Amino acid sequence: DIQMTQSPSSLSASVGDRVTITCRASQSISTSLNWYQQKPGKAPKLLIYFASTLQNGVPSRFRGSGSGTDFTLTISSLQPEDFATYYCQQSHSTLVYTFGQGTKVEIK
Amino acid sequence: DVQLMESGGGLVQPGGSLRLSCAASGLIFNSYAMSWVRQAPGKGLEWVSGIGNSGATTYYADSVKGRFTISRDNSNNAVHLQMNSLRPEDTAVYYCARVTSYYCDYWGQGTLVTVSS
Repeated sequence: DIQMTQSPSSLSASVGDRVTITCRASQSISTSLNWYQQKPGKAPKLLIYFASTLQNGVPSRFRGSGSGTDFTLTISSLQPEDFATYYCQQSHSTLVYTFGQGTKVEIK
Repeated sequence: DVQLMESGGGLVQPGGSLRLSCAASGLIFNSYAMSWVRQAPGKGLEWVSGIGNSGATTYYADSVKGRFTISRDNSNNAVHLQMNSLRPEDTAVYYCARVTSYYCDYWGQGTLVTVSS
């Protein structure tokens, strides 16, 4: 199975900061990489798919990049509503779409 | 608008069984693969199972293989997860999600399964 490793597991940042989260796959997954945002008590929300395509309605301050095994989610200017946990997910293996362990973005 | 609604969660003893259901509306159901994802209390997301749009192909995480069975009823726009031989570590909120071209774009609100004696 493909393993996904995110870093860091948590970070503290201020409103307006640039935030970067990385995700590494245990084998090449091309651009079969998705990013989700989850707030406490809520279902995950799709942010980015195919490594860099923004889902409809997601603000442009979110940016995804990468291919192969190394991927990045960047939030260019952190907003109060962005404090949440972020997960990467590979979709290279047919319908066994494993997640990274998550990155919690907290208020500094 | 697409809506997914899970049901069937609850408290069950170790070794017991439970059947989760996810009712879908607002979509051409038989055009999409569907999936189950779970989240143990205070933990991250774990992919559990996926099923192709016709129901002919099914996939499972190693942690549930042989114990869980995913199925779908395209006539009634529903996907099910039959969970047998439940363990305390299966305690989680279980979400169903629509799979569109390799990503999960719609999610239900989740149903809590608690495995405890």
